[in-house]
Amino acid sequence: QSALTQPPSASGSPGQSVTISCTGTSSDIGLSNHVSWHQQHPGKAPKLIIYEVSERPSGVPDRFSGSKSGNTASLTVTGLQAEDEAEYYCNSYAGSTIHWVFGGGTKLTVL
Amino acid sequence: QLQLQESGPGLVKPSETLSLTCAVSGASVSGSDYYWGWIRQPPGKGLEWIGSISWRGGTSYNPSLKSRLTVSLDTSKNQFSLKLYSVTAADTAVYYCARRESMVATSAHYWGQGILVTVSS
Repeated sequence: QSALTQPPSASGSPGQSVTISCTGTSSDIGLSNHVSWHQQHPGKAPKLIIYEVSERPSGVPDRFSGSKSGNTASLTVTGLQAEDEAEYYCNSYAGSTIHWVFGGGTKLTVL
Repeated sequence: QLQLQESGPGLVKPSETLSLTCAVSGASVSGSDYYWGWIRQPPGKGLEWIGSISWRGGTSYNPSLKSRLTVSLDTSKNQFSLKLYSVTAADTAVYYCARRESMVATSAHYWGQGILVTVSS
């Protein structure tokens, strides 16, 4: 069982927006802004798309955005495209003992 | 351009030691503010952070694996390694090596392609 809770699935039509939630506790997501999101296509390695709640690494489209409120982080994908269909994992710092935790993943389907 | 390449046995027997190496090109493992780590993914399941080592050699481990785990740096070969002792079938997974930087708050900024390790007799 993953430390962070994500919905197992999400979907949207091309051009629409979708938001994926990630719920933790005050010991992880609520502890700091060290929340990130990783995208994983089938059979591929994950790729970092958001870090520090809302920062995008170079090369990541601005269609991807992140936010956080209390113990819940969110990833929003606007203007959905077919290539956005993938598994998305949230990732949070959880203190100096546990260090890093992941969510169970959300499969995003572009209808 | 940073490249991370995992290598090691694809099959390990129960109770034995799983040993993997991550060869690094495009950066030095002793470069300041770099953290080199391992993350695994059981077949069909989610990601689990295993542990990491800093450019100074300081280690951080997942508490659930700490008693069976060693992560080390080899600066002469520009690589880092993972040893997981007394493995069971539950350790079967794709193992990814990764790098993060101090200024990028995530468990992994750059990922290797991953290597499947099966624990079976």
